[in-house]
Amino acid sequence: QVQLVESGGGLVKPGGSLRLSCAASGFTFRDYYMTWIRQAPGKGLEWLSYISSSGRNIYYADSVKGRFTISRDNAKNSLYLQMSSLRAEDTAVYYCAREVAAADYWGQGTLVTVSS
Amino acid sequence: DIQMTQSPSAMSASVGDRVTITCRASQGISNHLAWFQQKPGKVPNRLIYAASSLQSGVPSRFSGSGSGTEFTLTISSLQPEDFATYYCLQHNNYPWTFGQGTKVEIK
Repeated sequence: QVQLVESGGGLVKPGGSLRLSCAASGFTFRDYYMTWIRQAPGKGLEWLSYISSSGRNIYYADSVKGRFTISRDNAKNSLYLQMSSLRAEDTAVYYCAREVAAADYWGQGTLVTVSS
Repeated sequence: DIQMTQSPSAMSASVGDRVTITCRASQGISNHLAWFQQKPGKVPNRLIYAASSLQSGVPSRFSGSGSGTEFTLTISSLQPEDFATYYCLQHNNYPWTFGQGTKVEIK
């Protein structure tokens, strides 16, 4: 069955960096587009970024453009989100999701807390 | 960017009620719209994709309709397990955008 498992979240100071990972299994990872979505505490869902199956096509939300970098390693069945210049408003649960007609499978999420 | 205006933001309903939630896109998005259900502390679960296609395993009391700019999620007879927050998501243009959510509470 499809499984997505995020890791790498934690507490980081404002201005700091963090790299999230998403380990995929149960499907042919290299054939699928992937996305990152987040949810701040008590708030709604926010789409962050998309990467095509080859990694050649990438899109970002304006809120993270220039600070976050999405990437993937198809040999390792893994998706990544490199986050830098983190702000308090980046505090959220971060989900990776498979992109089939919009986010058909989601991981359990990893919490990122940006605080001094 | 495409704005998704979801209404109502919250509602109270009783078991057995017919519930309708609407999402309006600021420009046409064809049928590139999905609906998600999220219960407290849980991962969002896709209910509907391509505006009106029911996700496998989702009860048939859920249905979606619409195209272009106006979309509707309908729950034909609300069940106790349906009390949750519902979100629409447009994926026609980047950046994808979610509606602000509709919290369905018990009356």
